[in-house]
Amino acid sequence: QQPVQSPQAVILREGEDAVINCSSSKALYSVHWYRQKHGEAPVFLMILLKGGEQKGHDKISASFNEKKQQSSLYLTASQLSYSGTYFCGTEVYSGAGSYQLTFGKGTKLSVIP
Amino acid sequence: ETGVTQTPRHLVMGMTNKKSLKCEQHLGHNAMYWYKQSAKKPLELMFVYNFKEQTENNSVPSRFSPECPNSSHLFLHLHTLQPEDSALYLCASSPRGGNEKLFFGSGTQLSVL
Repeated sequence: QQPVQSPQAVILREGEDAVINCSSSKALYSVHWYRQKHGEAPVFLMILLKGGEQKGHDKISASFNEKKQQSSLYLTASQLSYSGTYFCGTEVYSGAGSYQLTFGKGTKLSVIP
Repeated sequence: ETGVTQTPRHLVMGMTNKKSLKCEQHLGHNAMYWYKQSAKKPLELMFVYNFKEQTENNSVPSRFSPECPNSSHLFLHLHTLQPEDSALYLCASSPRGGNEKLFFGSGTQLSVL
């Protein structure tokens, strides 16, 4: 079952902050975050493993709360280059020693001057 | 540039045509993937190849036929497609398979008339 992302879209002015949420109804092994600019390939941002870790990538960071089965992506002091669609992927145990990665529908982020 | 190249970038085909999508990676990875990206839908995993062996077929209709002649090349053969198959088809690779960091190509935008 796919994770649910919120909001679906957000518009920011340069320098503003944003939070994108990703939640699942299933127990999560890991959460993956990607960004895709229009007409380009999705680009990997980070993977968070269960254990409640936080990670940072320039001014983009994320947290993973395995008890709540959710992750949040934090964009601080947004830049024009942050514009794009952000996807979370959630990894769940699917049986027989296998794990399945499923992506959400994405959050479209637009940063304006 | 992610190291994963897809051709063609755009493809228009009729429902009776046969065409192929090509993907090539120069990263030395052992796993390759086909994803389908439709408007307002999540990324959908179609096929996974690990060391040239197909390890996953996500209930994809037989009008889509993958081929992986070696670890660097992946094809998706298309025949008698339907208009609802119109989408962006993304190829990805990863070092070992499993749910690790994915390196995506820019995709082939397919339109079925």
